[in-house]
Amino acid sequence: EIVMTQSPATLSVSPGERATLSCRASQSVSSNLAWYQQKPGQAPRLLIYGASTRATGIPARFSGSGSGTEFTLTISSLQSEDFAVYYCQQYNNWPQTFGQGTKLEIK
Amino acid sequence: EVQLVESGGGVVQPGGSLRLSCAASGFTFDDYAMHWVRQAPGKGLEWVSLISGDGGSTYYADSVKGRFTISRDNSKNSLYLQMNSLRTEDTALYYCAKVVEMATIWVALDPWGQGTLVTVSS
Repeated sequence: EIVMTQSPATLSVSPGERATLSCRASQSVSSNLAWYQQKPGQAPRLLIYGASTRATGIPARFSGSGSGTEFTLTISSLQSEDFAVYYCQQYNNWPQTFGQGTKLEIK
Repeated sequence: EVQLVESGGGVVQPGGSLRLSCAASGFTFDDYAMHWVRQAPGKGLEWVSLISGDGGSTYYADSVKGRFTISRDNSKNSLYLQMNSLRTEDTALYYCAKVVEMATIWVALDPWGQGTLVTVSS
């Protein structure tokens, strides 16, 4: 099973600043990597798939990069609605696995 | 608009059974593989199971293999998860989710339903 490790566990950032979240795979997942956002009491929402493709309706301030084992989600200028938990997921191998999540909180 | 609505959750004793349903609308259901993903209270996401669009291929997490069965009825636009021999560690919010592209399983999940809560407790 591929282990997905996200860092940091919690990230404190001020509105308007840039946030950088990391996700590392225990072995290569090529570009088969997605990022999801989850707000309290809500279902996860797809932000990025294919490591760098924004899902429909996702603002341009969200961007993804990386391939193989190292991936990054960048939010260029944080808005109040962006404070949430973010998960990465690999869908290259069975079982599909998620990272443990990064909580993005207001500084 | 794509909609996924889960139902069937509840409280069940250890060793008991429960059948979850997911009603889908807004897309051609049999064109898309479907997933079940769960989230224990206050915890992260755990993938549970996947079924192909025609129902011919199914996949399970090791933690549920042999106890859970995924199925679908394309004539009713519905996805199911039969859960037997339930354990306390199966307590979670269970989400159904559609894959983003048709005719493949190697893709991300979008959208997700709002989930149905399963509590396994004596």
